[in-house]
Amino acid sequence: DAKTTQPPSMDCAEGRAANLPCNHSTISGNEYVYWYRQIHSQGPQYIIHGLKNNETNEMASLIITEDRKSSTLILPHATLRDTAVYYCIANAGGTSYGKLTFGQGTILTVHP
Amino acid sequence: GAVVSQHPSWVICKSGTSVKIECRSLDFQATTMFWYRQFPKQSLMLMATSNEGSKATYEQGVEKDKFLINHASLTLSTLTVTSAHPEDSSFYICSANSGGGNTGELFFGEGSRLTVL
Repeated sequence: DAKTTQPPSMDCAEGRAANLPCNHSTISGNEYVYWYRQIHSQGPQYIIHGLKNNETNEMASLIITEDRKSSTLILPHATLRDTAVYYCIANAGGTSYGKLTFGQGTILTVHP
Repeated sequence: GAVVSQHPSWVICKSGTSVKIECRSLDFQATTMFWYRQFPKQSLMLMATSNEGSKATYEQGVEKDKFLINHASLTLSTLTVTSAHPEDSSFYICSANSGGGNTGELFFGEGSRLTVL
């Protein structure tokens, strides 16, 4: 998996958009960008993933730059329950699918 | 949505004893499950890949004789920590693919916290 770099922590006000950046400058053409989050003492939860195009689901939006060297996860209206560690992971799937390399992630704190 | 469940959620045992942790896919079949370990204030580290009907494959540095993995059915994988010691105290998490392709969502269990006294 390509190495990903994320800021160690971020703050966000409740109700505002949370924009979490991720750098993956060495990503390969066949590697997807995945985002998971982990709320304290729980297993990780899938958020979204994408290859080249921007993606949106009921939880978040994923914006991938045209050169694919970075991406941004957007939580459009953050709530207190979105406080968690957010992990950005590059994975090619196939034989490596499921073998996720978790970095240190970004601790997002949503405050009232 | 697909659910992965682990049992027990937490366990305390004495040093030298063995502990078994179960990982079940509740509403789908999983030919492959993955076991991770997470120490306090650290990230998740992949330990091994559990393959239904065959031997597990272990990541470098993980002792296969200490962490026994059995994947006897398409819905159950077990991790047994043998002769546990305090340094094995950790949060153990499993994950599984629901089979909807090999690039989609992975489902994680709630985790099992092991404390070895």
